[in-house]
Amino acid sequence: EIVLTQSPGTLSLSPGERATLSCRASQSVSSTYLAWYQQKPGQAPRLLIYGASSRATGIPDRFSGSGSGTDFTLIISGLEPEDFALYYCHQYGTSPTFGGGTKVEIK
Amino acid sequence: QVQLQQSGPGLVKPSQTLSLTCAISGDSVSNNNAAWNWIRQSPSRGLEWLGKTYYRSEWSYDYAVSVKSRISINPDTSKNQFSLQLNSVTAEDTAVYYCARDMYWAFDFWGQGTVVTVSS
Repeated sequence: EIVLTQSPGTLSLSPGERATLSCRASQSVSSTYLAWYQQKPGQAPRLLIYGASSRATGIPDRFSGSGSGTDFTLIISGLEPEDFALYYCHQYGTSPTFGGGTKVEIK
Repeated sequence: QVQLQQSGPGLVKPSQTLSLTCAISGDSVSNNNAAWNWIRQSPSRGLEWLGKTYYRSEWSYDYAVSVKSRISINPDTSKNQFSLQLNSVTAEDTAVYYCARDMYWAFDFWGQGTVVTVSS
């Protein structure tokens, strides 16, 4: 099973600032199979990024993904109030797994 | 727009079977490019993929090793829905359960979630 480790656990930032979230895999993951989700309290996760760098339908361009192999990054350039939430990375392999999440909170 | 509507009991007794259904609108459970998944989330285990069913000229099923001996996911083409059955539940199975579609290797549409508590 591929283990995904997200860092930091919590990111305290102010609106307008840039958020950089990291996802490290225990073994190499095809970029095609790496996705990012946003989750708010009481809601299901929402797909933000698939294929490591492609934005899902309706996702603003302040969200961007990059990376390859074992290291992947989600950047939110210019945090909006609605962006403060939990973020998860996910690999779609034979047995899909999720990272433990990064909480982006208001400083 | 694809919508997934979950239904099923929120309380299950230990050793009994957890049963949930996910009704699909805006797509077909027989879509050759999609797969239909169950995922759960708990504070102790985080987000955990449980399994999926998909149609590629015949029905196929993939299950997580952790639940493989206890799980069944079944499509119902007549009602355009799919279901989850998890047998012999324990308190460890208490979680929020989600159904989700995957296309192009990501979960793009999710159900609303069902809180399931295993307790006598």
